[in-house]
Amino acid sequence: KQEVTQIPAALSVPEGENLVLNCSFTDSAIYNLQWFRQDPGKGLTSLLLIQSSQREQTSGRLNASLDKSSGRSTLYIAASQPGDSATYLCAADATDSWGKLQFGAGTQVVVTP
Amino acid sequence: GAVVSQHPSRVICKSGTSVKIECRSLDFQATTMFWYRQFPKQSLMLMATSNEGSKATYEQGVEKDKFLINHASLTLSTLTVTSAHPEDSSFYICSARFVTLNYGYTFGSGTRLTVV
Repeated sequence: KQEVTQIPAALSVPEGENLVLNCSFTDSAIYNLQWFRQDPGKGLTSLLLIQSSQREQTSGRLNASLDKSSGRSTLYIAASQPGDSATYLCAADATDSWGKLQFGAGTQVVVTP
Repeated sequence: GAVVSQHPSRVICKSGTSVKIECRSLDFQATTMFWYRQFPKQSLMLMATSNEGSKATYEQGVEKDKFLINHASLTLSTLTVTSAHPEDSSFYICSARFVTLNYGYTFGSGTRLTVV
């Protein structure tokens, strides 16, 4: 069974610092890996999706890498801003269980002005 | 594109009553939708997979009779929490797979259910 772990569980940084969020998964047979942002009491906003054949994806200040062989994905957020404060979730879409996204517990990020 | 609209965003109901949550795909057809539940400070847990025109598939441990799912059209799936109890209080969120998002998933805004 796929297990997804996110470290750290919480992170507080001053504005301007770069953020590094880690996600590890136990089963490398994934279709894709997706990063989401969740604000308190809100739904999920998709940030980046990395297909299994890709190594990384970039969108603005966000960059996500994927290393299937080691079962890891990393989300980098450059030059953090207070508006980046949220919980960040990674989710693995396994090839043998279509649609059953396996989520990590999330990393709660606080960016202080 | 790829917007999933979920209503209501918040609902408070009395114990023993039923609550219906709607999830609509606004600009695409979703033959399959997914329903998740999220407890405070925890991640999302898949409850069931909703298939248009057929019965939903429930995850182990999820009561089919308590959480009724209907997917009557390609753009609408509903989750009805029947005979709600305080322990059903949670954050419910739906999702659909969007083909042009490289088969990524788009999520609704969630429903906060409080049973008193």
